[in-house]
Amino acid sequence: NAGVTQTPKFQVLKTGQSMTLQCAQDMNHNSMYWYRQDPGMGLRLIYYSASEGTTDKGEVPNGYNVSRLNKREFSLRLESAAPSQTSVYFCASRPSGTYNEQFFGPGTRLTVL
Amino acid sequence: DQQVKQNSPSLSVQEGRISILNCDYTNSMFDYFLWYKKYPAEGPTFLISISSIKDKNEDGRFTVFLNKSAKHLSLHIVPSQPGDSAVYFCAASDNTGKLIFGQGTTLQVKP
Repeated sequence: NAGVTQTPKFQVLKTGQSMTLQCAQDMNHNSMYWYRQDPGMGLRLIYYSASEGTTDKGEVPNGYNVSRLNKREFSLRLESAAPSQTSVYFCASRPSGTYNEQFFGPGTRLTVL
Repeated sequence: DQQVKQNSPSLSVQEGRISILNCDYTNSMFDYFLWYKKYPAEGPTFLISISSIKDKNEDGRFTVFLNKSAKHLSLHIVPSQPGDSAVYFCAASDNTGKLIFGQGTTLQVKP
């Protein structure tokens, strides 16, 4: 049982390049989330998917797109990377129910030059 | 407008003593509160939670207290151990399941 996995672990991009961050969970959770963590700012929600087939914007969605490919996988795409998107990105999943915690992946450290 | 605030960026305590981490929130719609622990180069891991119908929840060395009237929660770690050294995030949720995180407090427990 791997929990939440993320690929890649590290990535360096040039401004304007595109890339997709992959996330998968094997816990049969309905909800999945993408966060970014910046120094001194905690984790901020980018996009989330409450269930397979649905996606919604979070607090900081600009510059990102997401795809809930199936129940297991939720990807985050940067179409044209900018230096302001340099951050650590975390994916999380949560089972159904009101009072349940989210389970986080190990993160992807992205640098945009 | 930060809805969840952790006003102390860092805290240093001696091994064996009590660590108290604080968190304030502004949104009265929050009804579920969580603490996460994060080591460097790892994802956050869930530590303990409390719903708004309670004012205390205990799990081993960890206790979370909720004061709804003050919109304040705290995490007590007793006794503190060097392995507790990490960044601690508080988070709050309404019934949507989304989490709003505080900025984090770095705890250092000295041997």
